[in-house]
Amino acid sequence: GAVVSQHPSWVICKSGTSVKIECRSLDFQATTMFWYRQFPKQSLMLMATSNEGSKATYEQGVEKDKFLINHASLTLSTLTVTSAHPEDSSFYICSASSFSSGTSGSRTYNEQFFGPGTRLTVL
Amino acid sequence: DAKTTQPTSMDCAEGRAANLPCNHSTISGNEYVYWYRQIHSQGPQYIIHGLKNNETNEMASLIITEDRKSSTLILPHATLRDTAVYYCIVRVVSGTYKYIFGTGTRLKVLA
Repeated sequence: GAVVSQHPSWVICKSGTSVKIECRSLDFQATTMFWYRQFPKQSLMLMATSNEGSKATYEQGVEKDKFLINHASLTLSTLTVTSAHPEDSSFYICSASSFSSGTSGSRTYNEQFFGPGTRLTVL
Repeated sequence: DAKTTQPTSMDCAEGRAANLPCNHSTISGNEYVYWYRQIHSQGPQYIIHGLKNNETNEMASLIITEDRKSSTLILPHATLRDTAVYYCIVRVVSGTYKYIFGTGTRLKVLA
């Protein structure tokens, strides 16, 4: 399958600082990238969806000013946690997807490929 | 959005087939069923997906009932490395085509 990387793999920061996490699709062009967070022993929770060159769509309850998402190219999306606090400590995972164009302009959206995750600890 | 329900946990003996069920009774006609697994502290790994026909690849087989209200993921010969949380997902087919993750099944393969 396709390869998606994340950087950094883990980060520890002080409360009040901002942290940027990068998500890259290494061998394909990702028209859409997704950001999830996962608390210990829980499932993945979708935070937002970003399409290249346009504003991200946030899920209900996710603060867009708190979690800034940029998808400037077809291979890179970034998530910035602004003014991080201890409750923002979590495992952040990105995924990338593309679509195939069919006849009559139809689109088939391919499966999402996930990055390895970034563990954020806010002290 | 269609929801999925899965058993919380299952055990399977090494070398035996692992059958993981998933209920998705509210699935729409054009929604796909996807299966992923997540090994501890890693990102989810794609396994297989299907619409209405049974599917097989090098990792697993997917059996979807005729009414599409449930499916079963089959790992034909489970190994210790298959110990993971397995997620059954129904993919939204409009808008952002996002995934909604359920709680998953924690599969433990026993030696």
